[in-house]
Amino acid sequence: DGGITQSPKYLFRKEGQNVTLSCEQNLNHDAMYWYRQDPGQGLRLIYYSQIVNDFQKGDIAEGYSVSREKKESFPLTVTSAQKNPTAFYLCASRGGTFMNTEAFFGQGTRLTVV
Amino acid sequence: EDQVTQSPEALRLQEGESSSLNCSYTVSGLRGLFWYRQDPGKGPEFLFTLYSAGEEKEKERLKATLTKKESFLHITAPKPEDSATYLCAPIGSSGSARQLTFGSGTQLTVLP
Repeated sequence: DGGITQSPKYLFRKEGQNVTLSCEQNLNHDAMYWYRQDPGQGLRLIYYSQIVNDFQKGDIAEGYSVSREKKESFPLTVTSAQKNPTAFYLCASRGGTFMNTEAFFGQGTRLTVV
Repeated sequence: EDQVTQSPEALRLQEGESSSLNCSYTVSGLRGLFWYRQDPGKGPEFLFTLYSAGEEKEKERLKATLTKKESFLHITAPKPEDSATYLCAPIGSSGSARQLTFGSGTQLTVLP
């Protein structure tokens, strides 16, 4: 089945540690996105990538880093510089001509700082 | 800068009580708009794409409409299983088309 897989579903991080969230898609989509969602809030864009080896900052990129070495994969690293990382993280991908194609989402990773 | 506002933030309805959710926006060169549904702890699920003012789309008890400045999601005779957060994302013609910016959502609760 085609889709987007995020792992792990739950992740716990100690203060001062970096953690990496995985996002893999087999939809052959060029564009991929990372969003953060806090309780009762909407989606805030962290980073997006339109093509391999290229990515752009979204609205809240500070304390996060990404890479796009393969079309299928867009991992997100939450660094120790992110002071309040506890949140629900969503990855999405989008194909075709970006202007009017919908995004498909993974099931999310819930990150908790302990 | 593109702006997206959804209202109300939360809505509680009795089963069978119809209502509408609003998504208003300021985007340069609107090319369309997406509506999504999100259940707690899950990723958003695509509902509709609307491409031009005046367009309407329906799915079961949901009907989405689009004008140049806002979109409505009408819910007719809702059931408890319609309870979810509904998100909209307008598509502009500039960089926002690639960024895909969402509104903050309307949390809908339908009581039996």
